[in-house]
Amino acid sequence: GQQLNQSPQSMFIQEGEDVSMNCTSSSIFNTWLWYKQDPGEGPVLLIALYKAGELTSNGRLTAQFGITRKDSFLNISASIPSDVGIYFCAGQFVDTGNQFYFGTGTSLTVIP
Amino acid sequence: ETGVTQSPTHLIKTRGQQVTLRCSSQSGHNTVSWYQQALGQGPQFIFQYYREEENGRGNFPPRFSGLQFPNYSSELNVNALELDDSALYLCASSLGSGRRYEQYFGPGTRLTVT
Repeated sequence: GQQLNQSPQSMFIQEGEDVSMNCTSSSIFNTWLWYKQDPGEGPVLLIALYKAGELTSNGRLTAQFGITRKDSFLNISASIPSDVGIYFCAGQFVDTGNQFYFGTGTSLTVIP
Repeated sequence: ETGVTQSPTHLIKTRGQQVTLRCSSQSGHNTVSWYQQALGQGPQFIFQYYREEENGRGNFPPRFSGLQFPNYSSELNVNALELDDSALYLCASSLGSGRRYEQYFGPGTRLTVT
């Protein structure tokens, strides 16, 4: 199946620092979702984006739907230890209706 | 409001056997999607059920099949298990099918095939 390119693959940061990660596709998407997954658990939805250029926040998290519709970005401000986990982007192509494709994940470690 | 639940939590099967995994959707949700997540990878879409009918399928062979019941709960069946089927199987429910319907995941079933 198709997967999105997500970077960086892993990040090690100090508590309090800001974090940026992104997701790119070779095709145009009409929806982007960002999820966080803790070990042994299912992904938890963080933010949903539906329109090119859209910028949406959820607490310390901010995500953007890229203007080209082929990318999306997630920023976390003032990181805290509970931000640790794997972050996935997921998107829908224009033509695939209900099928979501997931990125390869960004593993975030926050050092207290 | 009850979230998405899945059973069992863990399962060990032998190659060639068959397995059934179960999912109860979040209250009010009529659509269930199933995903396979191999270790270190993102989830891969298997198929979706909407109003008891299969409504889209990913690149998985026919030995992966499913059902959705009138109460919107769902089953994933895998026949002739192979070693590569070892993975976390995730179920996600949504209010409907389509781009505006966000998917909410259950905790998953960890399947090990030996």
